[in-house]
Amino acid sequence: QKEVEQNSGPLSVPEGAIASLNCTYSDRVSQSFFWYRQYSGKSPELIMSIYSNGDKEDGRFTAQLNKASQYVSLLIRDSQPSDSATYLCAVINAGNMLTFGGGTRLMVKP
Amino acid sequence: GAVVSQHPSWVICKSGTSVKIECRSLDFQATTMFWYRQFPKQSLMLMATSNEGSKATYEQGVEKDKFLINHASLTLSTLTVTSAHPEDSSFYICSARDWGDSSGANVLTFGAGSRLTVL
Repeated sequence: QKEVEQNSGPLSVPEGAIASLNCTYSDRVSQSFFWYRQYSGKSPELIMSIYSNGDKEDGRFTAQLNKASQYVSLLIRDSQPSDSATYLCAVINAGNMLTFGGGTRLMVKP
Repeated sequence: GAVVSQHPSWVICKSGTSVKIECRSLDFQATTMFWYRQFPKQSLMLMATSNEGSKATYEQGVEKDKFLINHASLTLSTLTVTSAHPEDSSFYICSARDWGDSSGANVLTFGAGSRLTVL
């Protein structure tokens, strides 16, 4: 089992819809969780960090964390074509190492 | 926020030559930096952890004599791809954490990446 798992996609949503990106992790003692966005040919950029159970909202983005289920998600409201990218889930594990999932490719169609 | 600068952005070289990539933390000190490699349409792969003043820690399967890492100061780490071959062509990305930023604890900041093409 991979430490951090994501569906590779592509996830295709129409413009204006809600995009839901999911991530599961295997290390129960993980405490820090991140979502990065990576455009093609570019390096990843941080979108959200979340450390506590529940929801964290920032503009159109909402991160959701459920430590009991070892599940973290990212919701993008009012999706725009410019949101089309690969979204990487990252988790800091017990060894204090940041581990990335394989990424989910999101396509927002006009 | 923390800024990581990476240079060069693009490099094309002949097979057999060596290429050096620099990674700098511009407004913070980084005792540890990380080097990743990413092939087209694949996920990030951690190559090594660069430690200031000591040897780098390489991930399994990464040749330490092929990918030389030097972290001589708190703001600079370099990755040298020695005797590069076409299969080394990839996107190399460095990153670092600003441990002094309490608001962004544990956040990893990435450099812009260096695209290496070996002919």
